[in-house]
Amino acid sequence: AQSVTQLGSHVSVSEGALVLLRCNYSSSVPPYLFWYVQYPNQGLQLLLKYTTGATLVKGINGFEAEFKKSETSFHLTKPSAHMSDAAEYFCAVSRSPGANSKLTFGKGITLSVRP
Amino acid sequence: DTEVTQTPKHLVMGMTNKKSLKCEQHMGHRAMYWYKQKAKKPPELMFVYSYEKLSINESVPSRFSPECPNSSLLNLHLHALQPEDSALYLCASSQPTSRSRETQYFGPGTRLLVL
Repeated sequence: AQSVTQLGSHVSVSEGALVLLRCNYSSSVPPYLFWYVQYPNQGLQLLLKYTTGATLVKGINGFEAEFKKSETSFHLTKPSAHMSDAAEYFCAVSRSPGANSKLTFGKGITLSVRP
Repeated sequence: DTEVTQTPKHLVMGMTNKKSLKCEQHMGHRAMYWYKQKAKKPPELMFVYSYEKLSINESVPSRFSPECPNSSLLNLHLHALQPEDSALYLCASSQPTSRSRETQYFGPGTRLLVL
């Protein structure tokens, strides 16, 4: 079985501050890990993904995430928050390739950015 | 190009109506998905089509009927819905392969209101 834990439901940062959104996963096999962002009234957009190889993954809009197997974590960071980063962020895990391997989503976290 | 399109953007229907949601992708993906998303919740998987065949049905009520006419199109036929079916319906696609990590790309969604 696999699961994703995103602690808290809301994170608020000031514009220009560090963004840190936490994600911990549970998986019985090597996981595939994803971060998606959902802006208001839109679908989900892929921010970044971890496959194999380099554990520090860079994504779009200045976001990056580091896969730490020992901590079963895949936290999302951005050095300097922008107002346009305000959105809902979902961490997800997929067990293996194939359409029958489902994405398991965390419950999501809302990021607010204060001027 | 990683675009998945969905029509209509918004839909209001009565409980006795029949309507359809449409999803289209031209990325050559052979897996397509329907998700249901309630406000402030992660997407919930409903159906998966792999190579135009239904491979996963997450015990969805029969008032939702999926159809995959070809590899680029996915429909969701709606009949006799209930008010609690009001939600954002998301379509996604991916390329199933045993050799690389599969990534799902999402459309913008159809916001459905059942009166």
